[in-house]
Amino acid sequence: GDSVTQMEGPVTLSEEAFLTINCTYTATGYPSLFWYVQYPGEGLQLLLKATKADDKGSNKGFEATYRKETTSFHLEKGSVQVSDSAVYFCALRSLYNQGGKLIFGQGTELSVKP
Amino acid sequence: GAVVSQHPSRVICKSGTSVKIECRSLDFQATTMFWYRQFPKKSLMLMATSNEGSKATYEQGVEKDKFLINHASLTLSTLTVTSAHPEDSSFYICSARDEGLAFTDTQYFGPGTRLTVL
Repeated sequence: GDSVTQMEGPVTLSEEAFLTINCTYTATGYPSLFWYVQYPGEGLQLLLKATKADDKGSNKGFEATYRKETTSFHLEKGSVQVSDSAVYFCALRSLYNQGGKLIFGQGTELSVKP
Repeated sequence: GAVVSQHPSRVICKSGTSVKIECRSLDFQATTMFWYRQFPKKSLMLMATSNEGSKATYEQGVEKDKFLINHASLTLSTLTVTSAHPEDSSFYICSARDEGLAFTDTQYFGPGTRLTVL
C-alpha cells in the first residue's frame, strides 16, 4: 500500500540555518503531496502542497518540489526562525488507492535555537 | 482559510464513562470528515471516515462499538468514546474536506482534543 517515510527527528538547528527535511513516498498512480505543520498544542495546518510532478509548493519561506523520478518531496527553508519550531508531517493522497485518504509520515520534530 | 473547530479542547474523565467530542466546519460544508488519533511523538492514525447521512467507515483494528461516529449534518461530526479506559487516553484530531470547491484534495484540521482517562 501507499506509504510515506520521513527523516528521523528531532532536528535541532540554530536560527538562520538552512533546513532540509527529507520525505520519500511509495504510491499507486500519481498522488498529491503535502507538508503539514503542527505547532505545540495545536492541530495540523497545511503548509504547502504539490499535485503533479515537478510542481513546487511554497509558503512562508518553505519550499518542496514534487520529484517523481526519486519519489521525493523534501521540505527546505533557507533561513529558519525560532518560530518555525514544530513537528512537520509529509503526506500523500492518492485517488487510486485507499479511497483518497491522507497517508502521513511519522513526523519530524524541528527545534530552532536562538 | 477554512476553519475546523473541536470541542472540548481537553477532557478528563473517569474510567468507564463515555466522552463525546464534536468537530465542526465553521465556514464550509463537509460531506466527509475524518477522525485521527495521535500518540505522543507519533504520526496520525486514521480511525474512521465520517460520511454525512451514512455510516462511518472504520479502519482495520478500530472498534466500531468503542468509537461511535455520527455525522448528522454537513457541518458537524461527533466521536463518542464509550466506556473509556486509560488506554484510550490520546490526542484526537478531526479533519474536514471542503466539498465546495470544484475539486480539492485539501483537508482542514481541527485543533485536537486531549482526552485523559483516569
